[in-house]
Amino acid sequence: DVVMTQSPLSLPVTLGQPASISCRSSQSLVYSDGVTYLNWFHQRPGQSPRRLIYNVFNRDSGVPDRFSGSGSGTDFTLKISRVEAEDVGIYYCMHSINWPWTFGQGTKVEIK
Amino acid sequence: EVQLVESGGDLVQPGGSLRLSCAASGFSFSSSSWMSWVRQAPGRGLEWVALINQHTGAEYYVDSLKGRISISRDNAKNSLYLQVNSLRVEDTAVYYCVKDRGMDWGQGTLVTVSS
Repeated sequence: DVVMTQSPLSLPVTLGQPASISCRSSQSLVYSDGVTYLNWFHQRPGQSPRRLIYNVFNRDSGVPDRFSGSGSGTDFTLKISRVEAEDVGIYYCMHSINWPWTFGQGTKVEIK
Repeated sequence: EVQLVESGGDLVQPGGSLRLSCAASGFSFSSSSWMSWVRQAPGRGLEWVALINQHTGAEYYVDSLKGRISISRDNAKNSLYLQVNSLRVEDTAVYYCVKDRGMDWGQGTLVTVSS
């Protein structure tokens, strides 16, 4: 199984400041079709997860442009350019290159 | 607007069974490539437990539940199902219905396994 490892697991941030979360996979997430199947999700307390980014860097509809994804192969990053209060919660990376699709452990973002 | 509405969660005793349902609307259910169930134990992370390819009918299950779960769909009813048997305390979780590779999620249904 592909293991997804996130860091840090806890991220205190200051409003208006940037934040960055790293995700590493135990094998390349580049599929034979050339697509890299790496997604990012955000889950607020008491809510269902919401996908923010798919295939490394594509923002889902309605996702603010302060969120950006980057990376390749096995190393990926989610960046928030300027953290807002609504960005608190847990962020997960997830791969869907082969079964089982797996998530990282989650990174808890909170305001300092 | 895509809507996924789960139901069927309940308090059950160890060894019991449940059938979870997901009513889908707002999109062409039969044309959606992947439909899945993802679970989240209280205070824990996310686990993708079952997946069905809408076009091929291929089914995939996480090893920890293989043999105890079955995913199915009814395109005529725009519904997805998850049958879970021989429930264990560690199966206690919110079970989410998920479209494609996580594009849309339901609100979840809580399964509690306890004596």
